[in-house]
Amino acid sequence: GQQLNQSPQSMFIQEGEDVSMNCTSSSIFNTWLWYKQDPGEGPVLLIALYKAGELTSNGRLTAQFGITRKDSFLNISASIPSDVGIYFCAGLSGGSNYKLTFGKGTLLTVNP
Amino acid sequence: DSGVTQTPKHLITATGQRVTLRCSPRSGDLSVYWYQQSLDQGLQFLIQYYNGEERAKGNILERFSAQQFPDLHSELNLSSLELGDSALYFCASSSKGSARETQYFGPGTRLLVL
Repeated sequence: GQQLNQSPQSMFIQEGEDVSMNCTSSSIFNTWLWYKQDPGEGPVLLIALYKAGELTSNGRLTAQFGITRKDSFLNISASIPSDVGIYFCAGLSGGSNYKLTFGKGTLLTVNP
Repeated sequence: DSGVTQTPKHLITATGQRVTLRCSPRSGDLSVYWYQQSLDQGLQFLIQYYNGEERAKGNILERFSAQQFPDLHSELNLSSLELGDSALYFCASSSKGSARETQYFGPGTRLLVL
């Protein structure tokens, strides 16, 4: 089946630093989503991307839908301690059959 | 708080047993999704229901089944449990179940099979 390769697996950064993570796939996706999961909670949608080349921001978060439709990245600027968590990318290949494929996640640790 | 509720929060059972996980979607949402999250497989989509009908199927084992009831709550039944079924099971809901809608995730049920 479809697989998403998400990197890095984990990141340890200092408060105030910028962060970048990305997902790549061998398959084309029509939608890319980025989620954050806090400990003991379910994933929460951060950003949704629907068109190749689309660049979307949500506060300090910026994500882009790659031109090839096989990749996406998420940037977090000026990180703060509450950015700690696991970030997941997810792709949707389209059609009426709704099947989200998730990356394995990036564990972000922010040192104050 | 996403508005999606799941019970129980934790479940410990033995191999070979059967369990039922319950999900109540956000008020007004017609579609429910089930996901499994494990360390080795990550987050995997299992199945989607819309207004009582199955709409999409993912990597759901034949030992697992789900249904959505007239009041829109959903249950995920896991039978003949194996050690490898230990995982976090999430339910999510959305308004009409279309691809572009935000899914709101519940807090999950943590299943431990001993």
